[in-house]
Amino acid sequence: AQSVTQPDIHITVSEGASLELRCNYSYGATPYLFWYVQSPGQGLQLLLKYFSGDTLVQGIKGFEAEFKRSQSSFNLRKPSVHWSDAAEYFCAVGVQGAQKLVFGQGTRLTINP
Amino acid sequence: SQTIHQWPATLVQPVGSPLSLECTVEGTSNPNLYWYRQAAGRGLQLLFYSVGIGQISSEVPQNLSASRPQDRQFILSSKKLLLSDSGFYLCAWSVRAGRTEAFFGQGTRLTVV
Repeated sequence: AQSVTQPDIHITVSEGASLELRCNYSYGATPYLFWYVQSPGQGLQLLLKYFSGDTLVQGIKGFEAEFKRSQSSFNLRKPSVHWSDAAEYFCAVGVQGAQKLVFGQGTRLTINP
Repeated sequence: SQTIHQWPATLVQPVGSPLSLECTVEGTSNPNLYWYRQAAGRGLQLLFYSVGIGQISSEVPQNLSASRPQDRQFILSSKKLLLSDSGFYLCAWSVRAGRTEAFFGQGTRLTVV
């Protein structure tokens, strides 16, 4: 069965610093991959998605992610974080035909001023 | 455009009382519908999903049930709430087949006292 691992439960970075959130998945074929962001007390918002093609995908709010098949990873990056980026981030994998997404445990991002 | 409505936003219920959370989707037909639960400090747990009216798949055994009486309506219920049912409940929808990205409602914060 497919699974998603986000190794970092909590990350703290300074405002203006670069960010990378890690995501590893387990699935035999090429998966559909997603990153979502959740502000406190809110639903999840889709940041970006990968289905096929270019392995570097651009998303909203200045985020990007790179799919690396050899490492089974889909890490999320941002060159310079803003205080408003403080939130919980979830990586998810979808399997065509399975009709559902499997989520990682999430990474909570704190921004230091 | 598609929208998803979930209510109520917050709910405080005594142990042993019934529960009914409702979710409706607008602007699409035949969506897949999902109920997730997010316990404090934990990731997203898929509770139920539905690919059509009256079709419910349960992911984990528990004190809850789900129903889909209409194409774009998804209801989460319990006959008798437990303290362990407290959490943040999220409804989501996705296109029935193919791409499986999900779109989330704003969530319901349930506190069982």
